[in-house]
Amino acid sequence: DAGVIQSPRHEVTEMGQEVTLRCKPISGHDYLFWYRQTMMRGLELLIYFNNNVPIDDSGMPEDRFSAKMPNASFSTLKIQPSEPRDSAVYFCASSLGYGASNQPQHFGDGTRLSIL
Amino acid sequence: GQQLNQSPQSMFIQEGEDVSMNCTSSSIFNTWLWYKQDPGEGPVLLIALYKAGELTSNGRLTAQFGITRKDSFLNISASIPSDVGIYFCAGQSGANSKLTFGKGITLSVRP
Repeated sequence: DAGVIQSPRHEVTEMGQEVTLRCKPISGHDYLFWYRQTMMRGLELLIYFNNNVPIDDSGMPEDRFSAKMPNASFSTLKIQPSEPRDSAVYFCASSLGYGASNQPQHFGDGTRLSIL
Repeated sequence: GQQLNQSPQSMFIQEGEDVSMNCTSSSIFNTWLWYKQDPGEGPVLLIALYKAGELTSNGRLTAQFGITRKDSFLNISASIPSDVGIYFCAGQSGANSKLTFGKGITLSVRP
């Protein structure tokens, strides 16, 4: 299996620009998660989907952040407009289940986002 | 909210030594996970624990689910240079609850 695939690996853009991060989960996984990792706050869950439906977006920091999952093999996390404080590593993860035994989350390699 | 505490933030050991890390919480968790993150990569699952008191091994790694359900331990035996990385604990309190991560411990291994 190819694992969770994220693109781009690195993104550098100017403040105010729209940023779109992409994720392809592991085939057959029903759950998809978006995390943000910073030195100060560690790994934070932003939003997660079950069968393409957003279940909990309480971690999304502001209205500038939005996430979609149009089908089982693709999700996007969009920031518009971007700000320097959004600079972080964004991870996508997927799993077969959530809260059940033997169904842990598998992470992609992340997108390192820098907003100038 | 729920928090997981990992300390110290960094550990430095000599190749060949054993090292132990722990993770504590003020809340009860029903699942404990240990992940390792290499530079420029995402966290990779090392060991998953689903029962209080459970002791599970994965090669040179051994992890335990504390009987109080408020802590977990990870031991690495006979460390090697490729053990370098950040080790995160994560806990989940129940079905459909968020996975809470610790801040991680950065391990350095001197050859």
